[in-house]
Amino acid sequence: SQELEQSPQSLIVQEGKNLTINCTSSKTLYGLYWYKQKYGEGLIFLMMLQKGGEEKSHEKITAKLDEKKQQSSLHITASQPSHAGIYLCGADNSGNTPLVFGKGTRLSVIA
Amino acid sequence: DTGVSQDPRHKITKRGQNVTFRCDPISEHNRLYWYRQTLGQGPEFLTYFQNEAQLEKSRLLSDRFSAERPKGSFSTLEIQRTEQGDSAMYLCASSLEGTRGRGGYTFGSGTRLTVV
Repeated sequence: SQELEQSPQSLIVQEGKNLTINCTSSKTLYGLYWYKQKYGEGLIFLMMLQKGGEEKSHEKITAKLDEKKQQSSLHITASQPSHAGIYLCGADNSGNTPLVFGKGTRLSVIA
Repeated sequence: DTGVSQDPRHKITKRGQNVTFRCDPISEHNRLYWYRQTLGQGPEFLTYFQNEAQLEKSRLLSDRFSAERPKGSFSTLEIQRTEQGDSAMYLCASSLEGTRGRGGYTFGSGTRLTVV
């Protein structure tokens, strides 16, 4: 079965700093999804990547999928307190199977 | 449409009791998923439906867990004879087959179960 490894497990950054979260798959990815979760809440969809080398941005968040489609990174530029939360990567390997998720990266942004 | 709704938001129950959770998906979504999330972990897939058909249920944690989606709309997840290890957040998500790339799954806010 597919496994996703996220790093780091947790991250504390000062407001205004940049940061990167990584997600590595044990298998070639069909699709890679990034979600954000506030503590005790559901998941909010951020972005989906499907093509090798693909890069997408939304506001100050950029996600990339490597050419081999086994690793993705999420980069936040000039972090703000509103970026705090748990970032989860999810993946499927056929486009038709339920998503599996990594354990998440807990981000704290301090003033 | 207000998104995916889950009820209740919180449930405290005594060990050995049965509990049932409800999920109302986005109305035009034909797929509905149940996940369980424990503290510090990512969501763990349990089961999913396409319309009223349950397409995968081998990942349900034990035979104490069951799910239904009788008319292809709302779904219920039941846990019988609850144990303390069942304490977790139970998440429901929905999607429209073939459109995953345009929005992923839409998740509800979850039901937090505490078994005492």
